[in-house]
Amino acid sequence: DAGVIQSPRHEVTEMGQEVTLRCKPISGHNSLFWYRQTMMRGLELLIYFNNNVPIDDSGMPEDRFSAKMPNASFSTLKIQPSEPRDSAVYFCASSFRSWTTNEKLFFGSGTQLSVL
Amino acid sequence: AQSVSQHNHHVILSEAASLELGCNYSYGGTVNLFWYVQYPGQHLQLLLKYFSGDPLVKGIKGFEAEFIKSKFSFNLRKPSVQWSDTAEYFCAVIIDQTGANNLFFGTGTRLTVIP
Repeated sequence: DAGVIQSPRHEVTEMGQEVTLRCKPISGHNSLFWYRQTMMRGLELLIYFNNNVPIDDSGMPEDRFSAKMPNASFSTLKIQPSEPRDSAVYFCASSFRSWTTNEKLFFGSGTQLSVL
Repeated sequence: AQSVSQHNHHVILSEAASLELGCNYSYGGTVNLFWYVQYPGQHLQLLLKYFSGDPLVKGIKGFEAEFIKSKFSFNLRKPSVQWSDTAEYFCAVIIDQTGANNLFFGTGTRLTVIP
């Protein structure tokens, strides 16, 4: 398996533009997580899905942020409009969550977002 | 290529035993180092971090880690583990390359503490 795949690897955009980050989880995983990493706050959970359904989006900072998971193999995180303070590294992670097995997270390589 | 290695994939200890989880990175420049923990059914949370200063860092729940630059290591320790420490532990490194923050995760170490 290729692991969790994120695209793009780097994104540079201007303030006010729409940004879409993409994630392909590991096949067979039923949980998907979007995290944001900044130097000041460390890693923050933005939202997570279980079986394509958003379970907890309390970490989404503002209405400018939205995430979708139309099927088990794809998710997007969208920022519209983007602002300079959104600059960070955004990680997608996936896992297989069940009541009987220990869960292990697998991370993508992240998207470095710079909003000018 | 830069990488983070956690050589222990699964560690099993009895309660009150001492813990040391290894973390090594391969980058010769400035790094910031983190240990994260994921308890069963929960999300990642930060245990401790090192940016600069005292290389012995104390975190939450009695954990500490020591940055040894000459060994490219940032091992996590706890003198006496509890059953509640059963979790997955991730080491992570931010590599400062010309202003771009690149965060790299290790593959994680599962700790099982037996009562």
